[in-house]
Amino acid sequence: GESVGLHLPTLSVQEGDNSIINCAYSNSASDYFIWYKQESGKGPQFIIDIRSNMDKRQGQRVTVLLNKTVKHLSLQIAATQPGDSAVYFCAENLSSGSARQLTFGSGTQLTVLP
Amino acid sequence: GAVVSQHPSRVICKSGTSVKIECRSLDFQATTMFWYRQFPKKSLMLMATSNEGSKATYEQGVEKDKFLINHASLTLSTLTVTSAHPEDSSFYICSAREAGGEKLFFGSGTQLSVL
Repeated sequence: GESVGLHLPTLSVQEGDNSIINCAYSNSASDYFIWYKQESGKGPQFIIDIRSNMDKRQGQRVTVLLNKTVKHLSLQIAATQPGDSAVYFCAENLSSGSARQLTFGSGTQLTVLP
Repeated sequence: GAVVSQHPSRVICKSGTSVKIECRSLDFQATTMFWYRQFPKKSLMLMATSNEGSKATYEQGVEKDKFLINHASLTLSTLTVTSAHPEDSSFYICSAREAGGEKLFFGSGTQLSVL
């Protein structure tokens, strides 16, 4: 949601543990949500998405949970690996007439400890 | 997945010069492209939305005469930072969406440093 300008929260996890990254979105009318991973100096990389008519979706080692009641999104990474260290952004996609605009959350810096 | 190529990845220029950044969709036609700016350890800030064949739509606070956007074909959008100043130094990222699609595919970003 409206979090541009905030400093990144951080999360440190031990290699092999599960990671949970949380995101609060702002617009109850948003109907599509995406998680992106961004490594230093690179563009965001798509991880997983979910539509507002679902509350859970699973991918390879990742699960996204959507709670529309409290406007909360989470990304769960199973068996976190060193290569998972990156900044993770949630994004909400809102349809407004003919336009679809993506709004990014503030991001979370995930650090995987050996 | 779809590939978006952004070039250059890094550019250093003198204050007062103009810099052009290219964003290409390599294996799909992108009717809409977006340009973002990102400061260190911050989120992506949408600068403008670029639709092929029409004028770009700029977000509030973004100077359209400063950041010129051209989307002349379905596979190419360019962002020109005119008369660059040190405060324009930032990481610029483009993304592209296929016609009728929802997913955005991102370029690898351009680190602009203005001396």
